[in-house]
Amino acid sequence: EDQVTQSPEALRLQEGESSSLNCSYTVSGLRGLFWYRQDPGKGPEFLFTLYSAGEEKEKERLKATLTKKESFLHITAPKPEDSATYLCAVQAGGGYNKLIFGAGTRLAVHP
Amino acid sequence: GAGVSQSPSNKVTEKGKDVELRCDPISGHTALYWYRQSLGQGLEFLIYFQGNSAPDKSGLPSDRFSAERTGGSVSTLTIQRTQQEDSAVYLCASSLEQSSNQPQHFGDGTRLSIL
Repeated sequence: EDQVTQSPEALRLQEGESSSLNCSYTVSGLRGLFWYRQDPGKGPEFLFTLYSAGEEKEKERLKATLTKKESFLHITAPKPEDSATYLCAVQAGGGYNKLIFGAGTRLAVHP
Repeated sequence: GAGVSQSPSNKVTEKGKDVELRCDPISGHTALYWYRQSLGQGLEFLIYFQGNSAPDKSGLPSDRFSAERTGGSVSTLTIQRTQQEDSAVYLCASSLEQSSNQPQHFGDGTRLSIL
């Protein structure tokens, strides 16, 4: 069964304290792994797509990496405005276009 | 606006009533998806539309749930005889479908509360 597990469930950081969020997945034929950011009361906002092991994408203080079993979202020198829930999702092979989401990591960055 | 638009943003109704939720996708996006996000849980796929193809209804939790997409654009998700466990945020997403792993872009959802 296709599955996505994110850890930790919640993370509290001081401003400037770098860290990483983990997304472990089990999927038959990965077609893409997606990272989203979700603010309270809002829909998920697209951040990155990764397609194959070894691929990396960067945007401002965020960097996403992918291996055959997991993805990491590295946050460098975070700011309070980076506080949000970060969601990981995978798209499996077999012609299915739906996304399978993890439960998310709630990140709080304190000044 | 250039994003996915959903209405209403909030809906409160009594158990047993029917509700209709609306989604207006990004212009030019041929694929449209509905997901449900329950408190403390991840997003759960409900249904997917792509052009004139038959929709993928594999995520609909019961026959009380149905959806349609008229003219390849606006979609309506209907829940009949609502139950308290239907309370959740219903999210709509759309994507370009030139290749099937295009990112999905989400609206802000409809927060449904069943009394």
